[in-house]
Amino acid sequence: QVQLQESGPGLVKPSETLSLTCTVSGYSISSGYHWGWIRQPPGKGLEWIGSIYHSGSTYYNPSLKSRVTISVDTSKNQFSLKLRYVTAADTAVYYCARPYCGGGCHIDYWGQGTLATVSS
Amino acid sequence: QSALTQPPSASGSPGQSVTISCTGTSSDVGGYNYVSWYQQHPGKAPKVMIYDVSKRPSGVPDRFSGSKSGNTASLTVSGLQAEDEADYYCSSYAGSNNLVFGGGTKLTVL
Repeated sequence: QVQLQESGPGLVKPSETLSLTCTVSGYSISSGYHWGWIRQPPGKGLEWIGSIYHSGSTYYNPSLKSRVTISVDTSKNQFSLKLRYVTAADTAVYYCARPYCGGGCHIDYWGQGTLATVSS
Repeated sequence: QSALTQPPSASGSPGQSVTISCTGTSSDVGGYNYVSWYQQHPGKAPKVMIYDVSKRPSGVPDRFSGSKSGNTASLTVSGLQAEDEADYYCSSYAGSNNLVFGGGTKLTVL
């Protein structure tokens, strides 16, 4: 059974960089699939951030592309999110997830989510 | 890419059927047969209920069904049960391995 677990600081200052890591168990990232991030501001809907293929190719939401970097560390079976120049609008529960992309994409595995708050 | 449009709320009595719509554009919903639906209970991660417009993952009751016409997709929940009360989100493939989500619909079982 594939399991994903987010980790990282719960509080980030405005204009700084939000960094989160997702640790995957039950499946080797290097074996395949995309690995991605989705966020949900408190009381609001889901927003796709982007994903990375096991080979390292990345795909980002155009609205966040200038501030986002997703990377993978196959040796640790982890992938990471960096979101630069954060503001209060970036406060959200951040989910790591596995998009199953066979033609189209849908999310078949989700982490439990971690709340990241942007505040001074 | 803009968020897909869903009604903010829907409701039905136990045993009834309810349909939730999801409207996009020809660049997402209308352009691909890759719409998925997610159920989210409070404080929990979403769970996929429908993918590729009308396919159900193993373990999802056949009370849940999906369809699409043009730029609008729909999720129908038949035989409503109390445990179906949750937020539902649609999502569509938007090209280049990107996804776009809807704003969510709160389903209330009366």
